[in-house]
Amino acid sequence: TQLLEQSPQFLSIQEGENLTVYCNSSSVFSSLQWYRQEPGEGPVLLVTVVTGGEVKKLKRLTFQFGDARKDSSLHITAAQPGDTGLYLCADGSSNTGKLIFGQGTTLQVKP
Amino acid sequence: KAGVTQTPRYLIKTRGQQVTLSCSPISGHRSVSWYQQTPGQGLQFLFEYFSETQRNKGNFPGRFSGRQFSNSRSEMNVSTLELGDSALYLCASSLGRLAGLSVQYFGPGTRLTVT
Repeated sequence: TQLLEQSPQFLSIQEGENLTVYCNSSSVFSSLQWYRQEPGEGPVLLVTVVTGGEVKKLKRLTFQFGDARKDSSLHITAAQPGDTGLYLCADGSSNTGKLIFGQGTTLQVKP
Repeated sequence: KAGVTQTPRYLIKTRGQQVTLSCSPISGHRSVSWYQQTPGQGLQFLFEYFSETQRNKGNFPGRFSGRQFSNSRSEMNVSTLELGDSALYLCASSLGRLAGLSVQYFGPGTRLTVT
């Protein structure tokens, strides 16, 4: 059974700081997805990465996929209070609707 | 295009009762997946339905069941509720292509509390 480990579990920072969260898998990802979930809402997809070594940028967010496709990082530059939420990594099978999620990183950005 | 809708949003039930949750997917999406989210276990996959057939199932007891209708709407049922079933139940829909990536869109969830 694949296990996804995310670190850190909790992060509380001041507005304007940079941060990085990590996701490590016990086996190779089929496709790595990053989600953000805000209180009272469902997760919202941020990015999907498939190719080892791939780097994707979404405004102030930079996603990196390890060469061996077993790890990933999410870096946020100049965090803002609107970035507050639960960040989840997930592995998705291309043939089914099954996603395996990590436990998530809860980020709080204080103004 | 309207997003995934789930009803009800909040529910309080007593141990031993049963509950039915409903999910309406995005128009045109044929796959509906259900997840349970708890503070201790995180997000866990329950099952997926595609064209009215269960295509994949997670490691949950038989008390958890689901179905999908011809219009792709889905329901999940939990019988003989236990305190540990208290959770946020999330539904996600996707096009459900058999090959390639199929992005899932999540609804806001149903918060179930069992007392």
